[in-house]
Amino acid sequence: EAGVAQSPRYKIIEKRQSVAFWCNPISGHATLYWYQQILGQGPKLLIQFQNNGVVDDSQLPKDRFSAERLKGVDSTLKIQPAKLEDSAVYLCASSQRGTNTEAFFGQGTRLTVV
Amino acid sequence: EDQVTQSPEALRLQEGESSSLNCSYTVSGLRGLFWYRQDPGKGPEFLFTLYSAGEEKEKERLKATLTKKESFLHITAPKPEDSATYLCAVQAYNQGGKLIFGQGTELSVKP
Repeated sequence: EAGVAQSPRYKIIEKRQSVAFWCNPISGHATLYWYQQILGQGPKLLIQFQNNGVVDDSQLPKDRFSAERLKGVDSTLKIQPAKLEDSAVYLCASSQRGTNTEAFFGQGTRLTVV
Repeated sequence: EDQVTQSPEALRLQEGESSSLNCSYTVSGLRGLFWYRQDPGKGPEFLFTLYSAGEEKEKERLKATLTKKESFLHITAPKPEDSATYLCAVQAYNQGGKLIFGQGTELSVKP
């Protein structure tokens, strides 16, 4: 079974530029998550989708971050404009359903904002 | 506020030296407690889910236990390949599928 796919693996941008990350979840998984992991910390949820609807985006900085899940499958996360403090690993995860099932993570995209 | 605290932040063991990692949590209503392993440059890899106090699960040299306030990850006779960061996370009844993670324990096992 193929895992969660993310691209790119690495990205370096200057502050105030924009960037987009892509995620393809495990086939058949209805729930998709984007987490932000700052160096030395645990992942923090940014947004959760159930199919193509948003379940939780309470911790998403909506003035600069946006996310969408096309047709309930792939998802993109965008940052515009980026700040230095956005430097982190952005992890995508998926699960069969939102609760009582484990989430499977992709390898992440390491973003460096200079 | 729901919160997860892991200790120690870092642990260095000799091969074969057993030890335990601690995960203390405060959550309004625990739906499940999850343990993940994360290797450098990779995403977290699922290990265990525990749902109720008294529950235990084992996988190779790892054993996870759960009480009403904390969980332990016991590592018996560790090997160098067990070196990784171990993450604990909780899922609450009132927050859908959201996982609240601790900061992790970085385990290093020397031969």
